[in-house]
Amino acid sequence: GNSVTQMEGPVTLSEEAFLTINCTYTATGYPSLFWYVQYPGEGLQLLLKATKADDKGSNKGFEATYRKETTSFHLEKGSVQVSDSAVYFCALTSAGGSQGNLIFGKGTKLSVKP
Amino acid sequence: DSGVTQTPKHLITATGQRVTLRCSPRSGDLSVYWYQQSLDQGLQFLIQYYNGEERAKGNILERFSAQQFPDLHSELNLSSLELGDSALYFCASSVGGQGALGTEAFFGQGTRLTVV
Repeated sequence: GNSVTQMEGPVTLSEEAFLTINCTYTATGYPSLFWYVQYPGEGLQLLLKATKADDKGSNKGFEATYRKETTSFHLEKGSVQVSDSAVYFCALTSAGGSQGNLIFGKGTKLSVKP
Repeated sequence: DSGVTQTPKHLITATGQRVTLRCSPRSGDLSVYWYQQSLDQGLQFLIQYYNGEERAKGNILERFSAQQFPDLHSELNLSSLELGDSALYFCASSVGGQGALGTEAFFGQGTRLTVV
């Protein structure tokens, strides 16, 4: 079945450090890939997405590229801020499936220190 | 604010009891999705409704049921509650249903259920 594996956290970085959170997936066909962010006490918010191979999703300085050959969708940011502290979830939806019917990774908690 | 409203925000109940969680989707959204977030299982998709009809089913227990009403709000009913049902339950909504690529799902803030 479809699944998402993302790096275990927590990840602690200093402000302005480079961030990478690894995400790999297993899926049949051509899934759409997502990164969601959950700030403390809040629901999930879509951070970025990519719907086909080689697409790059980007938002708020975060980027991720859909790599079909390595079945990966790693999240990167060049310079993190304290306000980026949150839990980040990689997710996929199956080909032809609704974008609300998501399979999530276990989440990676990011803490950014001043 | 995502536009998705969930009530109540917190719920504490005893084992064996039954509770109902409510979700009002964003205006115009026809699909509603329910998720369970627990420490051990992570975020798990439970069920989807589209315009009043069940569209997709995930890891939903038989003790749990859901429905979507003509005004498009949805309720998740959890019965014969066990300690392990303690979790954060999220509702999400989107404009489209299956195959509706390009339509984002918006999440509510969740209902935290504690079973004691």
